[in-house]
Amino acid sequence: QSVLAQPPSASGTPGQRVTISCSGSSSNIGGNTVNWYQQLPGTAPKLLICRNKQRPSGVPDRFSGSKSGTSASLAISGLQSEDEADYYCAAWDDSLNAWLFGGGTKLTVL
Amino acid sequence: QLQVQESGPGLVKPSETLSLTCTVSGGSIDTNNYYWTWVRQPPGKGLEWIGSISYSGRTYYNPSLRSRVTQSAHTSTNQFSLNLRSVTAADTAVYYCARHVDTAMVDALDLWGQGTMVTVSS
Repeated sequence: QSVLAQPPSASGTPGQRVTISCSGSSSNIGGNTVNWYQQLPGTAPKLLICRNKQRPSGVPDRFSGSKSGTSASLAISGLQSEDEADYYCAAWDDSLNAWLFGGGTKLTVL
Repeated sequence: QLQVQESGPGLVKPSETLSLTCTVSGGSIDTNNYYWTWVRQPPGKGLEWIGSISYSGRTYYNPSLRSRVTQSAHTSTNQFSLNLRSVTAADTAVYYCARHVDTAMVDALDLWGQGTMVTVSS
């Protein structure tokens, strides 16, 4: 069981807005920034959101991130079929001195 | 354009040492604010951070793996490497090398290799 808790699955229809949550503690999300990664089937992960809400160059503005206290969220608006992927949150943990990943959320576009 | 690429044996026997190398091309590992990182993913499971190393050799390891892991950086060949000792079947995974950028704007793994599958089996 991951220290950063994510729902194992999420789904939505094309055009819909979906959110994926990531819950941690004061030693990780509460005190540090959160990153989100997208992993398309059979490929390496790709950085989607860094420092809670920053989008790297090339990431569509349909993707947005937020953080409040010890939880973070990834929102995807205007859902598209190509968004079907696994999504992982990540944060540094000050107690463990380690990077933590969430367990991942499999997004299905219905 | 900077790229990273993993290489190493795809099959390792139990109790032996898993050794992987990541070659960095299109740029130098000898750069401040970069930490060269290994992440693994067991089949059908999530991501696990193994550890990171700076070009100067400063290392950070996952506490759960620290007793078995050694990472090295080789500026002369622009490579960094991973050694994982006393492997078991639980170490079977896709191993990714990646670049961790730590700046005011970015503190994340922004560049990933394609990954290499390593199976632990006799």
